[in-house]
Amino acid sequence: QKEVEQNSGPLSVPEGAIASLNCTYSDRGSQSFFWYRQYSGKSPELIMFIYSNGDKEDGRFTAQLNKASQYVSLLIRDSQPSDSATYLCAVHSYGGATNKLIFGTGTLLAVQP
Amino acid sequence: DAGVTQSPTHLIKTRGQQVTLRCSPKSGHDTVSWYQQALGQGPQFIFQYYEEEERQRGNFPDRFSGHQFPNYSSELNVNALLLGDSALYLCASSFDDGTYEQYFGPGTRLTVT
Repeated sequence: QKEVEQNSGPLSVPEGAIASLNCTYSDRGSQSFFWYRQYSGKSPELIMFIYSNGDKEDGRFTAQLNKASQYVSLLIRDSQPSDSATYLCAVHSYGGATNKLIFGTGTLLAVQP
Repeated sequence: DAGVTQSPTHLIKTRGQQVTLRCSPKSGHDTVSWYQQALGQGPQFIFQYYEEEERQRGNFPDRFSGHQFPNYSSELNVNALLLGDSALYLCASSFDDGTYEQYFGPGTRLTVT
């Protein structure tokens, strides 16, 4: 079982719609969760982080965390063609010697004009 | 406020050669992590440096080594290059405050022929 799993996509949504990206993780000790956006040929850009159960909103982005079900999601409202990119979910676990981010393989989002 | 910088941007090497990649962290950050990202994959953790010492290491062979300098900048060295080392090498900087928010530099694209 992969530590962080994402659907590779592509996820295709029309312009103006809500894009929903999901991520599951295996380590119940995980405490910090991150969403990165990566345009083709570029490096990942941190767009959201969430530490507590529930929702966290920042502009058009909402991160949702459910630790009991071990999933984290990212909602993008009013999707724009410029949102077309790969979205990487990353998880950090506290405890022991672990001090790194574990990434999923990313979900490719395509926003159709 | 300067972000994370990396050099060089691109590099082409031959099998068996050695390479050194460089990273300067974001202003105020004291921790540097290195990741390898193969095409179509999420970043894979190589190691992390804090206070000039390797604090955590991922599942990479000893051919991969690093260093952190007193000004927090860092180097990644790879010896005896293999074709499979071709990837995007990412440096991420963070502040050791328990939040683990990591910010990536633009990356170095290494091609081994």
